[in-house]
Amino acid sequence: TQLLEQSPQFLSIQEGENLTVYCNSSSVFSSLQWYRQEPGEGPVLLVTVVTGGEVKKLKRLTFQFGDARKDSSLHITAAQPGDTGLYLCARQTNDMRFGAGTRLTVKP
Amino acid sequence: DAGVIQSPRHEVTEMGQEVTLRCKLISGHNSLFWYRQTMMRGLELLIYFNNNVPIDDSGMPEDRFSAKMPNASFSTLKIQPSEPRDSAVYFCASSLRLQDNRGPLHFGNGTRLTVT
Repeated sequence: TQLLEQSPQFLSIQEGENLTVYCNSSSVFSSLQWYRQEPGEGPVLLVTVVTGGEVKKLKRLTFQFGDARKDSSLHITAAQPGDTGLYLCARQTNDMRFGAGTRLTVKP
Repeated sequence: DAGVIQSPRHEVTEMGQEVTLRCKLISGHNSLFWYRQTMMRGLELLIYFNNNVPIDDSGMPEDRFSAKMPNASFSTLKIQPSEPRDSAVYFCASSLRLQDNRGPLHFGNGTRLTVT
């Protein structure tokens, strides 16, 4: 059972388009993390969100933590082929469990 | 900082054989996680350790799976006997845990296991 539901499961877009992926749960989390995984490698941390309503920006990536701390979103502006990868959210608890991820493909 | 080091990168074995996967933590980290990743089930937590002590092994599929931390910087995941359904990419990750605050996970590049 996935405690974190990510959507969409797959997303294929053209370079330059904008996109948003989501991470939802029925539970409240003290904090949540987003990771990106590229083929043949392990996931790499992008950001940690802690406060309800918090917005963090990482270049063209904008992360938001829901007011109730049950959901989060990742918005990418003007996607580039280098953004291609598997985007995973994880609850930052003692047992770090992940959602199933959104597999993003950005076509040149 | 060499990062988390996993070996081997690829392992192909026959059903029934014993498989041992190895992981070297980042120096100074005190938490170690083993995950299994497949397309069907995503990234599943198998077991994690704090300060060399196994805390939660509820994700270990069966008694065929076992994990140890013989010291603070090294861990093994053993499958005996292996089965084709064990085929997956196995990741270990380490982090620094201070009281109730857990730092980010640092992953190795994984071991791709194929059991024929």
